Amino acid sequence: TQLLEQSPQFLSIQEGENLTVYCNSSSVFSSLQWYRQEPGEGPVLLVTVVTGGEVKKLKRLTFQFGDARKDSSLHITAAQPGDTGLYLCAGAPVISGNTGKLIFGQGTTLQVKP
Amino acid sequence: NAGVMQNPRHLVRRRGQEARLRCSPVKGHSHVYWYRQLPEEGLKFMVYLQKENIIDESGMPKERFSAEFPKEGPSILRIQQVVRGDSAAYFCASSSQGGVGYGYTFGSGTRLTVV
Repeated sequence: TQLLEQSPQFLSIQEGENLTVYCNSSSVFSSLQWYRQEPGEGPVLLVTVVTGGEVKKLKRLTFQFGDARKDSSLHITAAQPGDTGLYLCAGAPVISGNTGKLIFGQGTTLQVKP
Repeated sequence: NAGVMQNPRHLVRRRGQEARLRCSPVKGHSHVYWYRQLPEEGLKFMVYLQKENIIDESGMPKERFSAEFPKEGPSILRIQQVVRGDSAAYFCASSSQGGVGYGYTFGSGTRLTVV
């Protein structure tokens, strides 16, 4: 069974602080995605990383895919209250082939206090 | 609205009834995926469909659940004889091509409550 372990599960910080969310697995993924989900809504895709060691930046968010394609991280610089939400990582296992199946982590609930 | 449309947003069914969840993908997308989000659990893959074909149903319970994506019209997730354990949020996603490298667009979900 492929698992994606996200940590931490909950994070409460002050506005302006930096934070990092981790997504780890023993399985290899052909690609990994990060989503943000608001209460009562579906996940919204933030980024897809495909190449081992890849780093992508989206304004104050930096995403990294591990060299072995088993792990990823999301770093937020100078967090703002608008960043509050549930962050999900999701990977496409190599052994599943190109079926479109994603394995989701449990999510990290981020609260940024003004 | 160019997004994935799911309806209804909320559905209440009594135990033993049938639930039908509908999903209209992004215009031009021919790949549809269904995921289930149980309380306190993450999103779990259920099924991947293309027009008129089921590509991967490895996440579908063997009984009572079925899915289709006809040539015309929305994709339907059907749950027969619902039980309380079926209460969850069901999300549909679509993509223009198969494979997750192209990114998914998710709908807002249908929240099923079985009473």
